[in-house]
Amino acid sequence: AQTVTQSQPEMSVQEAETVTLSCTYDTSESDYYLFWYKQPPSRQMILVIRQEAYKQQNATENRFSVNFQKAAKSFSLKISDSQLGDAAMYFCAYRSYQGAQKLVFGQGTRLTINP
Amino acid sequence: GAVVSQHPSRVICKSGTSVKIECRSLDFQATTMFWYRQFPKQSLMLMATSNEGSKATYEQGVEKDKFLINHASLTLSTLTVASAHPEDSSFYICSAREDREKLFFGSGTQLSVL
Repeated sequence: AQTVTQSQPEMSVQEAETVTLSCTYDTSESDYYLFWYKQPPSRQMILVIRQEAYKQQNATENRFSVNFQKAAKSFSLKISDSQLGDAAMYFCAYRSYQGAQKLVFGQGTRLTINP
Repeated sequence: GAVVSQHPSRVICKSGTSVKIECRSLDFQATTMFWYRQFPKQSLMLMATSNEGSKATYEQGVEKDKFLINHASLTLSTLTVASAHPEDSSFYICSAREDREKLFFGSGTQLSVL
């Protein structure tokens, strides 16, 4: 079974600075997807960024980018120019390419933005 | 973008009553829906995978008779918590898959059992 580990329960960053959230995963599959989701206090799950494992290029969405290291099974999220609205729980998630394609989530990292 | 409506957003009930939570895909057909449970300050744990027209697939440790899932149409899946007890109090979230690439979440239901 696949597992996802986020080793940082909490992180904080100054507004306008850059922060990196860590995520590692374990799988024997070669094709899969990786995601970062944001859960603000409203508890609505918001997709931040997605990475297909077969793509070597790291995904980027505006201020959000990932560092995907397939061999190391590492998938970190970098948030540049942090904004107050970025404060939330961030979950790393894994999804198989085949089968039911259910999401497996990490434990989450609570990100605080200091003004 | 696609919208998944989850209702109710909050429910408070007495112990022993049954509670039904609805998850609707508003502008797409969802052949597969997922139900998650989230305890305070914890991650989302998958409870079951719901496929239209067939029985749900439950994760290990999830009681099928307690958490009844029905996916009767391509736009609606329901989760019924039968004879709810205080330990069933939690945040329940559904998600609906439009295709291989797209998955959308509902806004969640906070269940509090007194």
